[in-house]
Amino acid sequence: DIQMTQSPSSLSASVGDRVTITCRASQSISTYLNWYQQEPGKAPKLLIYDASTLQTGVPSRFSGGGSGTEFTLTINSLQPEDFATFYCQQTYTLPPTFGPGTKVDI
Amino acid sequence: EVQVMESGGGLVQPGGSLRLSCAVSGRTFSSYAVNWVRQAPGKGLEWVSSISGGGGTSYFADSVKGRFTISRDNSKSTVYLQMNSLRVDDTATYFCARDRGGVKPYFLESWGQGTLVTVSS
Repeated sequence: DIQMTQSPSSLSASVGDRVTITCRASQSISTYLNWYQQEPGKAPKLLIYDASTLQTGVPSRFSGGGSGTEFTLTINSLQPEDFATFYCQQTYTLPPTFGPGTKVDI
Repeated sequence: EVQVMESGGGLVQPGGSLRLSCAVSGRTFSSYAVNWVRQAPGKGLEWVSSISGGGGTSYFADSVKGRFTISRDNSKSTVYLQMNSLRVDDTATYFCARDRGGVKPYFLESWGQGTLVTVSS
């Protein structure tokens, strides 16, 4: 199975900050990398697919990049509703695997 | 907008069985794969299983292979997860998510709110 790691595991930030989360795969996954946001007690929500394509309706302050084994999720000008846990997921091979998550709080 | 709704969770004893249902709105239900993803209390996300749009292909995590089965009824726009030989470590909230792909998992576009399965004596 492909192992996914995320860094940092948690971070504290303020409204208006720029935040970057890194996701690494144990082997190359091309751009088969998705990002999800999960608020406490809620279902995950798709933010970005194919490493850098913004899902319809997701604010443009979110952006994704990378290919191969290293990927980033950047949030420009953090908003109050962005305080949540973010997960990356690879779908290059089965089983699809998630990273352990990065919790963003105040 | 696609709506996803899970049902069927509850308390079950170790070794018992439970069937989860996932109803998905939308006219193109049979074009898309559907996945189950679970989350143990306080833990991260774990992919469990997926089934292709036509229902002919399914995939399972090693942790549930041989114990869980997945099926779908496209006439009812519903996917089922039959869980047998349940163990304490199967305790989790189970989310259903419609994929953008038609066969293999690609990206999970629409999620339900989840249904809690508790395995305990």
